[in-house]
Amino acid sequence: NAGVTQTPKFQVLKTGQSMTLQCAQDMNHNSMYWYRQDPGMGLRLIYYSASEGTTDKGEVPNGYNVSRLNKREFSLRLESAAPSQTSVYFCASSETGERTDTQYFGPGTRLTVL
Amino acid sequence: RKEVEQDPGPFNVPEGATVAFNCTYSNSASQSFFWYRQDCRKEPKLLMSVYSSGNEDGRFTAQLNRASQYISLLIRDSKLSDSATYLCVVARDDYKLSFGAGTTVTVRA
Repeated sequence: NAGVTQTPKFQVLKTGQSMTLQCAQDMNHNSMYWYRQDPGMGLRLIYYSASEGTTDKGEVPNGYNVSRLNKREFSLRLESAAPSQTSVYFCASSETGERTDTQYFGPGTRLTVL
Repeated sequence: RKEVEQDPGPFNVPEGATVAFNCTYSNSASQSFFWYRQDCRKEPKLLMSVYSSGNEDGRFTAQLNRASQYISLLIRDSKLSDSATYLCVVARDDYKLSFGAGTTVTVRA
């Protein structure tokens, strides 16, 4: 039982390049999330997927797209990376998405955009 | 104004000491409250939920003050392994958590 896994762990991009961050969970959770964490700021929600087949914008969705590929996998795509997207990206999942649910986080992807 | 604010610290305490810190939240409609723990360069993990009547989990005690809109975390008999950043988390709606920037605690031998 690996929990939430993310790939890659580290990535360096040049401005304008694109990439997809992968996330998978093996806990049979319905809801999945993408956050970014910047120094001095709390985690901020980029997108979430309440259940398979649905996605919704979070607090900071601009410059990102997501795909809920199936119940297990939720990917985050940067179409044209910008230096402002340099951050640590965390994927998370929860059983139902209710506000009392525990969210379980992946180990993160450290992205640098030059 | 940030939705969740925390004193960043760091709080440097000797082993065995008690350390306590607060977090304030701005939205009175917030419904659920948590403390998450984040070790250096690792992912956040749930430490404990915070209930209206206050609750304990071993050496950790959490309190909620709705009138003043703050929650607190107290760590008794600090261990070296308690060194971490503690994230205050508030849930107003389903699916959406608001995270504080964290309070760093360093426990020294």
